[in-house]
Amino acid sequence: DAGVIQSPRHEVTEMGQEVTLRCKPISGHDYLFWYRQTMMRGLELLIYFNNNVPIDDSGMPEDRFSAKMPNASFSTLKIQPSEPRDSAVYFCASSPDESATNEKLFFGSGTQLSVL
Amino acid sequence: QKEVEQDPGPLSVPEGAIVSLNCTYSNSAFQYFMWYRQYSRKGPELLMYTYSSGNKEDGRFTAQVDKSSKYISLFIRDSQPSDSATYLCAMRMDSGGGADGLTFGKGTHLIIQP
Repeated sequence: DAGVIQSPRHEVTEMGQEVTLRCKPISGHDYLFWYRQTMMRGLELLIYFNNNVPIDDSGMPEDRFSAKMPNASFSTLKIQPSEPRDSAVYFCASSPDESATNEKLFFGSGTQLSVL
Repeated sequence: QKEVEQDPGPLSVPEGAIVSLNCTYSNSAFQYFMWYRQYSRKGPELLMYTYSSGNKEDGRFTAQVDKSSKYISLFIRDSQPSDSATYLCAMRMDSGGGADGLTFGKGTHLIIQP
């Protein structure tokens, strides 16, 4: 298995532009997560899905952020309009539903977003 | 007080040394404790997982949990340059299911000098 695949690896955009980040989870994993990582705040959970259904989006910073999972093999995180403070590394992770704990997350390599 | 505290480092040690990485936490409800390793420009990967108090060993790595002190540790024996990475602790409550509630430390940057 290729693991969790994210695209693009790097994104540089100007303030006000729409940004779309993409993720392909590991086949068969029931959970998908979007995290954001910065030096100041560390790794923060933005939203997660179970069987394509959004379960908890309380970490989404504001209405400019939205996430979708139209099927089991694809998810997007969209920022519209983007702002410089959104600059961070965005990670997608997936997890199998092997047990009630689901502590093992498989992360992608991340998208480095820079908003100028 | 933050829920999970972790010294960001960097922590620089010579090759072959024993490394001790630590996290403290404030929420006594945490039951599951994990260590993730993150190489530069990569996503974190699970290294060790323990439930409740006690020790767990896997090769050169030992994870230790002291719930009475709200303190967890990761020990690396015979450290190698390839161990140079950022190590993040993570923990969650016994919520009975689901994958929410995983709280990460900010990570400790470890450098093993050849």
